[in-house]
Amino acid sequence: GAGVSQTPSNKVTEKGKYVELRCDPISGHTALYWYRQSLGQGPEFLIYFQGTGAADDSGLPNDRFFAVRPEGSVSTLKIQRTERGDSAVYLCASSLDGTDTQYFGPGTRLTVL
Amino acid sequence: AQSVTQLGSHVSVSEGALVLLRCNYSSSVPPYLFWYVQYPNQGLQLLLKYTTGATLVKGINGFEAEFKKSETSFHLTKPSAHMSDAAEYFCAVTSGGSNYKLTFGKGTLLTVNP
Repeated sequence: GAGVSQTPSNKVTEKGKYVELRCDPISGHTALYWYRQSLGQGPEFLIYFQGTGAADDSGLPNDRFFAVRPEGSVSTLKIQRTERGDSAVYLCASSLDGTDTQYFGPGTRLTVL
Repeated sequence: AQSVTQLGSHVSVSEGALVLLRCNYSSSVPPYLFWYVQYPNQGLQLLLKYTTGATLVKGINGFEAEFKKSETSFHLTKPSAHMSDAAEYFCAVTSGGSNYKLTFGKGTLLTVNP
């Protein structure tokens, strides 16, 4: 079956702009996660959704970052007033529930010029 | 708080040689431990995981790892490297009671020489 998909695969933007990154989880997975992977680092947790609600957003670095999952399936990570330090690969994962194996998408590479 | 240390950001082996990738963790509660592999331009793929029970865990592609509580280690091994094993490998931990939040190490890039 289809895995986790993320769009776009690459996004180049200018400092100060707004961006949206999309994640389509595996069908039937109630849990969805966002991670950020900076160059030379492992992925870092950003936020966890169970259904439509954010069960844990403790990893979001500041209030410029926001994520939604209005219908409990697709999720969008939104970044306002982008900064060069936001440049990274943003990974999405999903799982059957919050205790099951996480399956990762290919990521969106964000470059802020 | 939990953390993961992967010793060696880059490991190089010859085809057919033993692969050993090291991972040490710290966790205040019994951990769940994972190894993920990342091929270029692809997502992270789970190789294997330890939750409870048998401490020697077998995964895909001939990899295995052993949970050693006394050493707080979860090293990944494969008896004979193949060219297709070249990739980046990440060790990760969750705390058993809150086991959705993966904490990753910085990764180890494995190269396999012919």
